[in-house]
Amino acid sequence: DQQVKQNSPSLSVQEGRISILNCDYTNSMFDYFLWYKKYPAEGPTFLISISSIKDKNEDGRFTVFLNKSAKHLSLHIVPSQPGDSAVYFCAASPNAGNNRKLIWGLGTSLGVNP
Amino acid sequence: DVKVTQSSRYLVKRTGEKVFLECVQDMDHENMFWYRQDPGLGLRLIYFSYDVKMKEKGDIPEGYSVSREKKERFSLILESASTNQTSMYLCASSSPGYRYYEQYFGPGTRLTVT
Repeated sequence: DQQVKQNSPSLSVQEGRISILNCDYTNSMFDYFLWYKKYPAEGPTFLISISSIKDKNEDGRFTVFLNKSAKHLSLHIVPSQPGDSAVYFCAASPNAGNNRKLIWGLGTSLGVNP
Repeated sequence: DVKVTQSSRYLVKRTGEKVFLECVQDMDHENMFWYRQDPGLGLRLIYFSYDVKMKEKGDIPEGYSVSREKKERFSLILESASTNQTSMYLCASSSPGYRYYEQYFGPGTRLTVT
């Protein structure tokens, strides 16, 4: 039973436009939500996080929005660049009582076309 | 610069062989993880360790074992390799303190079992 769901396996956008990657979750006890980025033949790298008590976090071209009532978060990339082409994983961290494991989505493959 | 290294980038083994995958981190992290990544299945946790000689099963531990004799090293063992263990194996580490949700990944080992 997937607690973190990324319903779009892939997404294609034009360079310079906005990319929006979506993620849904089922457990209200998560305290942090994360986005990781993965290039082929490399390990994932941490991209951005958001605390469950916030609704927005911004880091340069990357913004994550959290809608707790809908149990939904999204990653916005503006403007998209060809180097952003990668697989993006949404992940969630349970509360501090069990803070070692992350719960991962299946990933969304983003392609940014020049 | 933080670093997680894995002993091999590519490995080819025969069915029934005992396989050792080694992971070393230089960040003095308490937590270490082994994942496998397969197309359409995302990142699945095999085992993790939160201290030397301590380990916990992840979501798919069957057919695997682990060893953590030193803080910086976490080994994944395939006792008798099978073709369904052909996969990308990723090691990660994290600290239980500030930003505990940030996992640092190695480059991965692409294992093929023939």
